Amino acid sequence: DQQVKQNSPSLSVQEGRISILNCDYTNSMFDYFLWYKKYPAEGPTFLISISSIKDKNEDGRFTVFLNKSAKHLSLHIVPSQPGDSAVYFCAASGLNAGNNRKLIWGLGTSLAVNP
Amino acid sequence: ETGVTQSPTHLIKTRGQQVTLRCSSQSGHNTVSWYQQALGQGPQFIFQYYREEENGRGNFPPRFSGLQFPNYSSELNVNALELDDSALYLCASSFYGGPGPIAQYFGPGTRLTVL
Repeated sequence: DQQVKQNSPSLSVQEGRISILNCDYTNSMFDYFLWYKKYPAEGPTFLISISSIKDKNEDGRFTVFLNKSAKHLSLHIVPSQPGDSAVYFCAASGLNAGNNRKLIWGLGTSLAVNP
Repeated sequence: ETGVTQSPTHLIKTRGQQVTLRCSSQSGHNTVSWYQQALGQGPQFIFQYYREEENGRGNFPPRFSGLQFPNYSSELNVNALELDDSALYLCASSFYGGPGPIAQYFGPGTRLTVL
């Protein structure tokens, strides 16, 4: 049962345009959401996060939007650059019964930014 | 540069063998998590160690075990290797100092192939 879903395996965008990566989740106990970027042969790199008490967090070209009622979040990259081409993972976290946290990951979306 | 290192980078084993993967956390971090990433999948949480104790575990059998040392380096041990254990194993370190997840910083991973 995939608690964090990234329904688009791939996305292709023109340089300079906006990239929008989507993520849906099913567990209402999740209270933190993170986006990671992964280049081939490297580990994932933390990009940006958002707490469930917010609906938007912005960091430079990257903005994450959270819609709690729809259990949906999205990552916007504006403007997109060829160096942004990578696999983007959405991850969610919530306290479990043992008061521990772990990250639940989506399957990733492969973004290609074309020059 | 994340500061998280893993060794070895690649490893080939045969079914039934045992393997130990190593991780050196980023300086100042007290938490380490291990993930298994199969081809085309997102990282799957194996377990997490905080101050040398297991602090959460995913849906992996007991033949997956770990250690965290006083210097916050860590090992992942897998006994009785199976073909399906072939994957990229990622180590991530973070500093846990209160509620809410802190971003995890990943190493480059160890690619394990079981023949």
